Amino acid sequence: DQQVKQNSPSLSVQEGRISILNCDYTNSMFDYFLWYKKYPAEGPTFLISISSIKDKNEDGRFTVFLNKSAKHLSLHIVPSQPGDSAVYFCAATSGNTPLVFGKGTRLSVIA
Amino acid sequence: DTGVSQNPRHKITKRGQNVTFRCDPISEHNRLYWYRQTLGQGPEFLTYFQNEAQLEKSRLLSDRFSAERPKGSFSTLEIQRTEQGDSAMYLCASSSSYSEQYFGPGTRLTVT
Repeated sequence: DQQVKQNSPSLSVQEGRISILNCDYTNSMFDYFLWYKKYPAEGPTFLISISSIKDKNEDGRFTVFLNKSAKHLSLHIVPSQPGDSAVYFCAATSGNTPLVFGKGTRLSVIA
Repeated sequence: DTGVSQNPRHKITKRGQNVTFRCDPISEHNRLYWYRQTLGQGPEFLTYFQNEAQLEKSRLLSDRFSAERPKGSFSTLEIQRTEQGDSAMYLCASSSSYSEQYFGPGTRLTVT
């Protein structure tokens, strides 16, 4: 049972445009959500997070939106840059439980 | 560099051999996590420590796997009698806060 789902395995975006990565979850107990970025042969790098008491969190070019009623979150990257090309993982947790990750979305930003 | 470090970065072993991996967390972090990642999947939780206490173990962690964190500092993950299905990237993460975990570069294990 996949509690965190990233239904798009890959996404291609032109440089300068917006990248939107989506994530759905099924466990209503999750109250904290994170996005990680992963380059090949490296560990995941923390990008941005959001608590369930918020519906938006912004950090520079990265914004995460949370829709609790739909159990959906999305990561927006504006403007997209070639260095953003990586695999992006959505993760969720509740209380002190370990993170539950989605399968990832591979983003390719084309120059 | 004060990030999470893992050694070795790569390990190739024959089926049936034992292997041990080490993780050095960020020094002020009291929580340490082990995850496993296989191709096309996200990281899957294996076990975690708060200080030296092992607080939770996943069902993925068979009795061939053991983890320790003596003195609440570095941690080791040992796999006994390795099987080809153990081939994966083993990731370590540490945290001091509610949830943000910082990952090391991982140890890629190949069992031949």
